[in-house]
Amino acid sequence: NAGVTQTPKFQVLKTGQSMTLQCAQDMNHNSMYWYRQDPGMGLRLIYYSASEGTTDKGEVPNGYNVSRLNKREFSLRLESAAPSQTSVYFCASSVYLSNQPQHFGDGTRLSIL
Amino acid sequence: GDSVTQMEGPVTLSEEAFLTINCTYTATGYPSLFWYVQYPGEGLQLLLKATKADDKGSNKGFEATYRKETTSFHLEKGSVQVSDSAVYFCALKNDYKLSFGAGTTVTVRA
Repeated sequence: NAGVTQTPKFQVLKTGQSMTLQCAQDMNHNSMYWYRQDPGMGLRLIYYSASEGTTDKGEVPNGYNVSRLNKREFSLRLESAAPSQTSVYFCASSVYLSNQPQHFGDGTRLSIL
Repeated sequence: GDSVTQMEGPVTLSEEAFLTINCTYTATGYPSLFWYVQYPGEGLQLLLKATKADDKGSNKGFEATYRKETTSFHLEKGSVQVSDSAVYFCALKNDYKLSFGAGTTVTVRA
């Protein structure tokens, strides 16, 4: 009963390094999302994929790229990491319908020095 | 655009006290409303939901009623336990997107 699985759980990068965060869901959900969580700011949407083959920008997309590899997998890439991207990153998925909740992974704690 | 405002914390309570966390929203159309809970070091878990006006969501002793006239979705629990210590997020879903409040940290003392 895995739900949404994120890897890695922790990562430390140096400024300028690149990194891909992986996310996979086994609930046959159509839509997937990437958020970042910063103290006092709740969660902010970075990118989302409403269905396989589509991706769109969220509230804070700058400095990130995404790939919807297939229905199960949605990856987030930092091409050139900056200290301002130090955060906790959450992946989520949901059924396509708007009144259904999103299900979250356990997060990736990313520190950029 | 859509937005959610929830009461600022932190909130500190004694065991068996009554908990209320206020949440109001602005949105177009007919959003669904959710409360999520985040325990230390973990991801967000859905606590309860309401999909239309006057719906009451409930789970683990927590309740919230979708009030369209006051655009509110306040979370309540009659008798909290130490295990309820967590961060609580009010959220609104419109179309594909989920908009979150800033979160309220609740600490329950034995």
